Amino acid sequence: AQSVTQLDSQVPVFEEAPVELRCNYSSSVSVYLFWYVQYPNQGLQLLLKYLSGSTLVKGINGFEAEFNKSQTSFHLRKPSVHISDTAEYFCAVSDTGAGKSTFGDGTTLTVKP
Amino acid sequence: DGGITQSPKYLFRKEGQNVTLSCEQNLNHDAMYWYRQDPGQGLRLIYYSQIVNDFQKGDIAEGYSVSREKKESFPLTVTSAQKNPTAFYLCASSIAGTALEQYFGPGTRLTVT
Repeated sequence: AQSVTQLDSQVPVFEEAPVELRCNYSSSVSVYLFWYVQYPNQGLQLLLKYLSGSTLVKGINGFEAEFNKSQTSFHLRKPSVHISDTAEYFCAVSDTGAGKSTFGDGTTLTVKP
Repeated sequence: DGGITQSPKYLFRKEGQNVTLSCEQNLNHDAMYWYRQDPGQGLRLIYYSQIVNDFQKGDIAEGYSVSREKKESFPLTVTSAQKNPTAFYLCASSIAGTALEQYFGPGTRLTVT
């Protein structure tokens, strides 16, 4: 069985400040890792994904994440946030054989002017 | 444009009535998924299907039913047996068998009174 823990339910930050949203996972097999973003009353869209290879993954809107196998983490970072980054962010894990994903409970990022 | 459509955006029903939520995709994806989203609880998997005429229960299948008669369509029926049906429902699709990145529809908000 796999699970995902997003360590912060809410992260308030000022505009142009850096931000890190934390995600830890557990799985007994090799995994794929994802970050999705959800704006109010909309579906989710993919920010970035780790499938294999380089542990530093770059995504859309200036976000990046680092896969750390020893710490089973996949934290999302952005060096300078904008008001428009205010949204809910979900970390997800899929194992290579199950054909389905497990999502974390989400982190609400609020960017203040 | 390729994508996933869910209709309607908002749905209201009286308690005791069954209701069917529509999900259609033109991405030629084999796998489709239904999630339920409640505030602070992330996404929970209801049912998923990796191929036409086959589907599997997710983590919270009780009170729900699905069919997969066509590759493009994966309707979800919320039955009167579902004790707490009011929620935001999201449909997604992906390339079969891999649970790689999922493409999400805009969601249907169901309110049962």
